[in-house]
Amino acid sequence: QKEVEQNSGPLSVPEGAIASLNCTYSDRGSQSFFWYRQYSGKSPELIMFIYSNGDKEDGRFTAQLNKASQYVSLLIRDSQPSDSATYLCAVNIVLMKTSYDKVIFGPGTSLSVIP
Amino acid sequence: KAGVTQTPRYLIKTRGQQVTLSCSPISGHRSVSWYQQTPGQGLQFLFEYFSETQRNKGNFPGRFSGRQFSNSRSEMNVSTLELGDSALYLCASRTGAGPFGGAFFGQGTRLTVV
Repeated sequence: QKEVEQNSGPLSVPEGAIASLNCTYSDRGSQSFFWYRQYSGKSPELIMFIYSNGDKEDGRFTAQLNKASQYVSLLIRDSQPSDSATYLCAVNIVLMKTSYDKVIFGPGTSLSVIP
Repeated sequence: KAGVTQTPRYLIKTRGQQVTLSCSPISGHRSVSWYQQTPGQGLQFLFEYFSETQRNKGNFPGRFSGRQFSNSRSEMNVSTLELGDSALYLCASRTGAGPFGGAFFGQGTRLTVV
């Protein structure tokens, strides 16, 4: 099982709709979770982070975390064409052998917002 | 606060050559990670350096190596380049002081091997 999984998409939503992006992870000990947005030809940009179960809202973005289900999601309300990008889920995992932590990225979900 | 700076932005190299990429992290960040991104494989973790020590390593051959200097700047080296090494190489910095706090990426170095 891969450490971080996402639906590859592409996910298409009409302008103004809610886009829902999902991510599952395998390490139950993970403590921090991140969403990155990557426009074509650009580097990933951190847009949300969440550490506790529940919802975290920032403008049109809401991150949801359910540690029991090992599931994290990103909702984008009132989607705009400028939201069209690849969204990467990232999870911080702690390595048992070394106690060091590292950030693992999912494969990303391509989102297209249709005007 | 200045962001993560990677140099050079673009490189074209010939098979068999070697290449060195540079990354200057955000001031105060002691962790630098390197990733390879290709269309088919997504973001693949290469290694992470913290306080001049490599503390995490991905599943890449020994041709890929790195180091970190006392000012937290990091370099990545790829020897005996292969066509398959063509990719966007991204460096990301974070504080490294525990699992909280996200990583911030540089603009990347686009490497083309011909």
